[in-house]
Amino acid sequence: EAGVAQSPRYKIIEKRQSVAFWCNPISGHATLYWYQQILGQGPKLLIQFQNNGVVDDSQLPKDRFSAERLKGVDSTLKIQPAKLEDSAVYLCASRKWREKDEQFFGPGTRLTVL
Amino acid sequence: AQSVSQHNHHVILSEAASLELGCNYSYGGTVNLFWYVQYPGQHLQLLLKYFSGDPLVKGIKGFEAEFIKSKFSFNLRKPSVQWSDTAEYFCAVSTYGSSNTGKLIFGQGTTLQVKP
Repeated sequence: EAGVAQSPRYKIIEKRQSVAFWCNPISGHATLYWYQQILGQGPKLLIQFQNNGVVDDSQLPKDRFSAERLKGVDSTLKIQPAKLEDSAVYLCASRKWREKDEQFFGPGTRLTVL
Repeated sequence: AQSVSQHNHHVILSEAASLELGCNYSYGGTVNLFWYVQYPGQHLQLLLKYFSGDPLVKGIKGFEAEFIKSKFSFNLRKPSVQWSDTAEYFCAVSTYGSSNTGKLIFGQGTTLQVKP
């Protein structure tokens, strides 16, 4: 079974530029999560999708971050414009749909904002 | 708001030493508890989980954890560590209830370095 795929793996941009990350969850997984992991901290949820609907985006800085999951499969997370404090690893995770289903994590995208 | 606290930020052990990593959470309701591990250069992987039943749970690679409800704790243990256990370890919680979305609330992580 293929795992959660993310791209790019690394991205370096200057502040005020825009950037987009892509995630393809495990086939058949209805739930998709985007987490932000700042160096020295644990991952923090940004947004959760159930199929193509948003379940929780309470921690998403909506003035600069946006995310979509068209067709309920893959997802993109965008930052526009980026700030220095957005430097982090952005993790995508997916699970089937039940509460007790395991969340599987992708390798992450390491973003550096200069 | 729920939170998770890991007691040790950086632990250094020699091979064959015993390991215990502390984890406490703050939430008054029913919780699901997890330990994730991230080996160097790899993605987060589930080490073990607790949903209900026996509070002593066993995971992969000889790890186990004990849920003590009265102490809001879920400490990770391993009787004898190996060099290959060098990794970052994260404790995480998700909560039940109508608002449960399965989102994980992570602690800040503990870096374990095992010396050969």
